[in-house]
Amino acid sequence: DGGITQSPKYLFRKEGQNVTLSCEQNLNHDAMYWYRQDPGQGLRLIYYSQIVNDFQKGDIAEGYSVSREKKESFPLTVTSAQKNPTAFYLCASSLQGLNYGYTFGSGTRLTVV
Amino acid sequence: GIQVEQSPPDLILQEGANSTLRCNFSDSVNNLQWFHQNPWGQLINLFYIPSGTKQNGRLSATTVATERYSLLYISSSQTTDSGVYFCAPRTGNKLTFGGGTRVLVKP
Repeated sequence: DGGITQSPKYLFRKEGQNVTLSCEQNLNHDAMYWYRQDPGQGLRLIYYSQIVNDFQKGDIAEGYSVSREKKESFPLTVTSAQKNPTAFYLCASSLQGLNYGYTFGSGTRLTVV
Repeated sequence: GIQVEQSPPDLILQEGANSTLRCNFSDSVNNLQWFHQNPWGQLINLFYIPSGTKQNGRLSATTVATERYSLLYISSSQTTDSGVYFCAPRTGNKLTFGGGTRVLVKP
């Protein structure tokens, strides 16, 4: 079955450490996205990528970094510069063009301890 | 950027009741999606609806793009309908999410 796989489901990080969240898709989608969700709120866009080796900042990119070396993979690194990283992180993908919807992964819950 | 407001923020329903959720947005959009987030956090796409009306079982959605709003109808609600419903208009390359409507369906 085609889909988006995020790993791990739960992640604990000590303050001052960088951590990388994995997102892999086998839908042959061109575009991939990272969103952050805080408790009781909607999703906010961190970064997105339309094609391999290219990505753009979203609304809350500070303290995060991404790479897009393969079409299938779009890992997100939460750096020590992110002052409040505890949140639920969701990855999504879509085909190129305005007529296609997003498909989301099941998310990673990151907690800073 | 675009502003997205959803109402009501919270909704408690008795099983079998009908309800309407509303999404207002501030700018012209290319498209719009409705999602259901289950208690485990998974976002499930319900509708992809830039304009007009679509139905899927007990759920239906209507988007009036010229008036910048969309409606989600839940008929004969079931306990499995509980969760958070998000609308997300698309502008350019981005989906922007509203704050959601939290729905609790009681047996």
